[in-house]
Amino acid sequence: QSALTQPASVSGSPGQSITISCTGTSSDVGSYNLVSWYQQHPGKAPKLMIYEGSKRPSGVSNRFSGSKSGNTASLTISGLQAEDEADYYCCSYAGSRRDVFGTGTKVTVL
Amino acid sequence: EVQLVESGGGLVQPGGSLRLSCAASGFTFSSYSMNWVRQAPGKGLEWVSYISSSSSTIYYADSVKGRFTISRDNAKNSLYLQMNSLRDEDTAVYYCARDMPNAFDIWGQGTMVTVSS
Repeated sequence: QSALTQPASVSGSPGQSITISCTGTSSDVGSYNLVSWYQQHPGKAPKLMIYEGSKRPSGVSNRFSGSKSGNTASLTISGLQAEDEADYYCCSYAGSRRDVFGTGTKVTVL
Repeated sequence: EVQLVESGGGLVQPGGSLRLSCAASGFTFSSYSMNWVRQAPGKGLEWVSYISSSSSTIYYADSVKGRFTISRDNAKNSLYLQMNSLRDEDTAVYYCARDMPNAFDIWGQGTMVTVSS
């Protein structure tokens, strides 16, 4: 069960937009529109930000958006804010392997 | 308030066993599938195991298959993870997480498991 590939770090200035990629295979990201994204601040539990590729749970800012093309899913954060500085993980349904997480991306607000 | 609270973590020697519990409140536990997800110190998230609402379907990550057993008691609103033959690489914070489905929408605060001699 290989982890999905994410960039180790992404940074941006307040107000800018950043995009985090999540690359899988035709057995996971490419086969299902079931990618979710999680935000994790240090010492805290992860928080669901996006589910089913592009849907936002109630209470999550519309500055967060998700998309997918082929075997790669993406999370875009627009209007970057200091509170967005955190680790972000993608996760995809993978059939009989159930769920596989990404390697994680540290977002830094400059 | 919808809440998950894990317990049962601690220090255990390699080869030892530990049983984690997750107490659910604020929602109809018996209607949801549940998961265990772990995070080794300084590392990323790793899905560990899934159990359906009726316990009829169970999955494990290859890394724990044959050593860990997930179970639940809907009458007690509780989820469990029996961990046997523990290895150093099982050291992690273990989270229980509600299945939305196909996303983990509610997480507990986690319980730390340390495997060391």
